[in-house]
Amino acid sequence: NAGVTQTPKFQVLKTGQSMTLQCAQDMNHEYMSWYRQDPGMGLRLIHYSVGAGITDQGEVPNGYNVSRSTTEDFPLRLLSAAPSQTSVYFCASSRTGLSSYNEQFFGPGTRLTVL
Amino acid sequence: GESVGLHLPTLSVQEGDNSIINCAYSNSASDYFIWYKQESGKGPQFIIDIRSNMDKRQGQRVTVLLNKTVKHLSLQIAATQPGDSAVYFCAENNNNNDMRFGAGTRLTVKP
Repeated sequence: NAGVTQTPKFQVLKTGQSMTLQCAQDMNHEYMSWYRQDPGMGLRLIHYSVGAGITDQGEVPNGYNVSRSTTEDFPLRLLSAAPSQTSVYFCASSRTGLSSYNEQFFGPGTRLTVL
Repeated sequence: GESVGLHLPTLSVQEGDNSIINCAYSNSASDYFIWYKQESGKGPQFIIDIRSNMDKRQGQRVTVLLNKTVKHLSLQIAATQPGDSAVYFCAENNNNNDMRFGAGTRLTVKP
């Protein structure tokens, strides 16, 4: 299994540009999520999904959209990038939701810089 | 608002010593806690977890202690090795799908 994969690894955008961060998992996990990590801070949940066709907002959803058309993929879209979205983005998945002994696997991250 | 935090941002230990990393949480409704390890340039890696109906859980060389009275969580690493050098995060969950992370503690192991 490849686990959780993310592309690209690095990205530089100009303010106002849009882009999609890709995330895929091959473990048939129901739960997938996106986090952002800023210097000196822990991860903050952006959006999550408990299954195909179902998404919900996390702690910091503004400026981001997600969709879950398949079990495997969970892309994160930035419609109009802002410098405040400069961060490292992690995708994660787990077999089911978080409220149980249920290990969450993280991808390697995407480092995004918005100029 | 409620948050997860850490007592110390950095910890330096000698190889072979035991390490203790602490975490304070403020949401008394949280019922599930996890410790993650993050090495430089990588995503967080699950270490160990514990539910609120327990006060101690052991893994391989790691032990998590939970004190609900003072809302305190700790991670103990036995016989710390150079490969244990990383940033360690605690995270809490309140029986939902919204995980809240602390800011992290950087552990440095001196040879």
